[in-house]
Amino acid sequence: DAGVIQSPRHEVTEMGQEVTLRCKPISGHNSLFWYRQTMMRGLELLIYFNNNVPIDDSGMPEDRFSAKMPNASFSTLKIQPSEPRDSAVYFCASSLAGAGANVLTFGAGSRLTVL
Amino acid sequence: GNSVTQMEGPVTLSEEAFLTINCTYTATGYPSLFWYVQYPGEGLQLLLKATKADDKGSNKGFEATYRKETTSFHLEKGSVQVSDSAVYFCALRDNSGAGSYQLTFGKGTKLSVIP
Repeated sequence: DAGVIQSPRHEVTEMGQEVTLRCKPISGHNSLFWYRQTMMRGLELLIYFNNNVPIDDSGMPEDRFSAKMPNASFSTLKIQPSEPRDSAVYFCASSLAGAGANVLTFGAGSRLTVL
Repeated sequence: GNSVTQMEGPVTLSEEAFLTINCTYTATGYPSLFWYVQYPGEGLQLLLKATKADDKGSNKGFEATYRKETTSFHLEKGSVQVSDSAVYFCALRDNSGAGSYQLTFGKGTKLSVIP
């Protein structure tokens, strides 16, 4: 298995632009998580999907952030418009809910820089 | 609420030195505890876990024992290698009810091992 695949690995954009980050979870996993990592705040859970349905989006910072999971093999995190304070590494992780729900498999991350 | 506190880094050790990274937690109920490792430029990977009091998780020479009486889960390794240089995250999953899918992470401890 190729693991959790994220793209792009690096994104540099200007303030006000739309940013879309993509994630392909591990085949067969039914839970998907988006995290944001910064030096100041560490790892923050943004949103959690189970069976493609958003269960908890309380971590999404504000309306500029949105996430979708149209099918079991694809999810997007969109920021529109982007701001410099959104600069961070964004991780997608997946797991199999139930007995294996403890163990998350993370992607390599998307490093976003907003100028 | 749930929280995880790790020792501040960075930690710099010589090869073959003994490693301890302290981790304490607060949680309602009986959490499962984890150590994740993040190598440079990569996502987090599960290093070891323990699901109940007095359990010892171990992997790649690393060990951690779930101590309920001291609410701790300290990570140890008897002889570190240069290849162990990474950021280590302690995490908990509260199994007591709503939101129990969510992992709460510590801020991470950066370890550098010099030859």
